[in-house]
Amino acid sequence: RKEVEQDPGPFNVPEGATVAFNCTYSNSASQSFFWYRQDCRKEPKLLMSVYSSGNEDGRFTAQLNRASQYISLLIRDSKLSDSATYLCVVKVLTGGGNKLTFGTGTQLKVEL
Amino acid sequence: NAGVMQNPRHLVRRRGQEARLRCSPMKGHSHVYWYRQLPEEGLKFMVYLQKENIIDESGMPKERFSAEFPKEGPSILRIQQVVRGDSAAYFCASSLGRWGETQYFGPGTRLLVL
Repeated sequence: RKEVEQDPGPFNVPEGATVAFNCTYSNSASQSFFWYRQDCRKEPKLLMSVYSSGNEDGRFTAQLNRASQYISLLIRDSKLSDSATYLCVVKVLTGGGNKLTFGTGTQLKVEL
Repeated sequence: NAGVMQNPRHLVRRRGQEARLRCSPMKGHSHVYWYRQLPEEGLKFMVYLQKENIIDESGMPKERFSAEFPKEGPSILRIQQVVRGDSAAYFCASSLGRWGETQYFGPGTRLLVL
């Protein structure tokens, strides 16, 4: 079983739509959670951290359910520029420090 | 304020050659991480280094791969006797500290082994 699992998609949605991505993680010792965005053949960029209380950044809302080991990302009013792969990322703090574990990503295509 | 820099951006090697990938962290960052992204797969952690120390190399293949982060100069990921399966994007990230710090990624080096 993968440590972080995501539906690979692609999700094809019209501009203005609301779309939700889900992610599950297997390591109950995971302590920090993030959504990264990766554009084609480029480096991942931090979109937002995810907290148990839920957090919002403009059109993006992230939720964490520790009991279910489940993370979600909601994008409202999708823009063409939102087209990218969205990576669910968890961090387990170990003696070694700060290692990130990535899901394989969910591809989003926003269309006119 | 320059971000994480990696070079070369693209590297082509024939089987059996050596590949050297360089990473210069963000200014003031002393923690460097290397990740590998195989085609159609997610990023996988390889190694975490501080200046002159390897902190966690649990993701490094046991043979042919090595990494260093000397007191002066960039971090180097070295792959000896490359094979076709080493073809991938290699991303470097840096952070300010060890615990709970955001990792900022470089643009990656795309290695193609012929």
